[in-house]
Amino acid sequence: NAGVMQNPRHLVRRRGQEARLRCSPMKGHSHVYWYRQLPEEGLKFMVYLQKENIIDESGMPKERFSAEFPKEGPSILRIQQVVRGDSAAYFCASSRMNTEAFFGQGTRLTVV
Amino acid sequence: LAKTTQPISMDSYEGQEVNITCSHNNIATNDYITWYQQFPSQGPRFIIQGYKTKVTNEVASLFIPADRKSSTLSLPRVSLSDTAVYYCLVGGLDRGSTLGRLYFGRGTQLTVWP
Repeated sequence: NAGVMQNPRHLVRRRGQEARLRCSPMKGHSHVYWYRQLPEEGLKFMVYLQKENIIDESGMPKERFSAEFPKEGPSILRIQQVVRGDSAAYFCASSRMNTEAFFGQGTRLTVV
Repeated sequence: LAKTTQPISMDSYEGQEVNITCSHNNIATNDYITWYQQFPSQGPRFIIQGYKTKVTNEVASLFIPADRKSSTLSLPRVSLSDTAVYYCLVGGLDRGSTLGRLYFGRGTQLTVWP
């Protein structure tokens, strides 16, 4: 049973471009969470999704950021018009209902 | 949202037992306590979870006093590979979410020396 798969592992974007980060949850997991981690800091919750539904997006910036978890395919975190401050590691986690969550290896976004 | 307080860093030597204590004074009745481990450039890894008293698995033990306002993660006989950041999280099973409203904080950087 493969773990949570995130791709790409590293992503470089120029300011103003779009970044799309993908997360394939573990098999049988219908809950997906996205976290952001800045250097030397803890993980900050961004959004919690179930299939086709956003359950909690209280940690998402109001502009430029969006997330989806379609019925088929991976969850996508999309950042439009990236700025240098978006440079961070973005982690995805997945879980079943009421169980512990498993994290992916993360996507390291660098905005140049 | 219950926040936690942990030491920023701890040092130990190989073979010693390490105890990391976490304070969570505002823990709610339905909150669980969960510990994660994170190595550099990797995602956090679940270690252990508990509600009260003591929980033990093949990796660690978790001690929770009766008032549940703190918890202690115990790592027996640490090795160099246990050098990592350890996060204590407190949260409930709200609408099925185990992570959605959990606060990670900065964790405790454990360094194990030879």
